[in-house]
Parts: sequence; structure tokens; C-alpha cells
Amino acid sequence: GESVGLHLPTLSVQEGDNSIINCAYSNSASDYFIWYKQESGKGPQFIIDIRSNMDKRQGQRVTVLLNKTVKHLSLQIAATQPGDSAVYFCAENPPWRGGADGLTFGKGTHLIIQP
Amino acid sequence: AAGVIQSPRHLIKEKRETATLKCYPIPRHDTVYWYQQGPGQDPQFLISFYEKMQSDKGSIPDRFSAQQFSDYHSELNMSSLELGDSALYFCASSSNRGNTEAFFGQGTRLTVV
Repeated sequence: GESVGLHLPTLSVQEGDNSIINCAYSNSASDYFIWYKQESGKGPQFIIDIRSNMDKRQGQRVTVLLNKTVKHLSLQIAATQPGDSAVYFCAENPPWRGGADGLTFGKGTHLIIQP
Repeated sequence: AAGVIQSPRHLIKEKRETATLKCYPIPRHDTVYWYQQGPGQDPQFLISFYEKMQSDKGSIPDRFSAQQFSDYHSELNMSSLELGDSALYFCASSSNRGNTEAFFGQGTRLTVV
């Protein structure tokens, strides 16, 4: 079946460096994508989203890039901090589903920030 | 700010027992979503409700049922529990079904023994 997958299960970066977390999706009909951050013992926390009519969206210290040609999504975190350590999930939705209904989550990347 | 409240936080049940998980959405949120997350797995969508009506359904087993009440809180009822039902169960809420930003609760950790 179609799924959302992440290239790397673990990513280790130095504090203060920029980090890039990648995501490949296979459902070409998906038009809405979200990045979530999940800290240990907590629920997923919304970071940033992007619709398919955009290729870039910026938030506070985070940028999401969408390349529909190769069905690739990335999350860039600038100047990583210890509090950024978490598992990051990308999630997708096709246009026939509303809002956050029935999101398909990827497998998650564990971001580790080294001092 | 008030967040999504789930209860209980932890629950231990034996096989074939029943369990009820509760979710209290953020005030003025009318849409509730339930997700299941197995150990080391990504969250899987189970079911959602908008204005007390089921709005979408995912991989929810027939042994599970859910509803949303007049005060917008939701309950997930799980019967004939199996060992494989052991997981984190998250509830999320949003201000309307078309709203893209859903806020997740802390989850209920269900252990079936």
C-alpha cells in the first residue's frame, strides 16, 4: 500500500547546527502535509503544515519544503536546541479528507541534539 | 492554556476484558480524533467525530466503538481486549473539521496482559 516514509530513523546533530529531516510520500493525491514533534511520553505536537499549492513555508526556526515532482517533504530546523530532541513525524492527507481527519503518519525520525 | 485531557493516563486490563478511554477536547473545539500508536510505531488513525457525529473512520477494529457526547467529550470503548491492543491511544481536537491544526492529548497507555 501507499505510505509515508522517512529516510533516516535517527539523526544526530550538534547543538546550534541546522538539521534537516526528510520524508518521502507515495500518494500523489495527497495535498496536505503536516510535521509533528513527539517528545517521550507526550502526544504529537503540531509544528508546521503545508498545502500542495505551495513549495515552501516558514515558521519560527522551522521551514518545510515540498517537492511534488519527486514527492519529497523536508523539515529544516535552524540553530537546533536541546529541546528539539524528539521524534519527528510527517503526515499526509488526500483532498477528500477534511482537516486532520485520517492523517497517514510516516515512521518517524529520532532527532538527537548533541552538546 | 487548556489542552486536550485524556483519562486515564495508564490502564492495565486482562485479555477479553473491556476498557473505556475518555477524551475532553480543548474548550470550544467540536472535532475529536482518535489515534492508536503501538510501541515504536507511527500513530494510526482510528475514528473522528464532528459535532457529535462520526465524520471519518480508519483502521478501528469492530471490537471498538466510540462516540462524542453533547459536551463534546468523547469515549473510546474497547471490548474483548487482545494483547495486540496494548498501545498508546491519543485523542486530538480541533475547532472545526476543516481546521488543519489538531492538538493532541498526552495519551492513554493501555497494557493488556
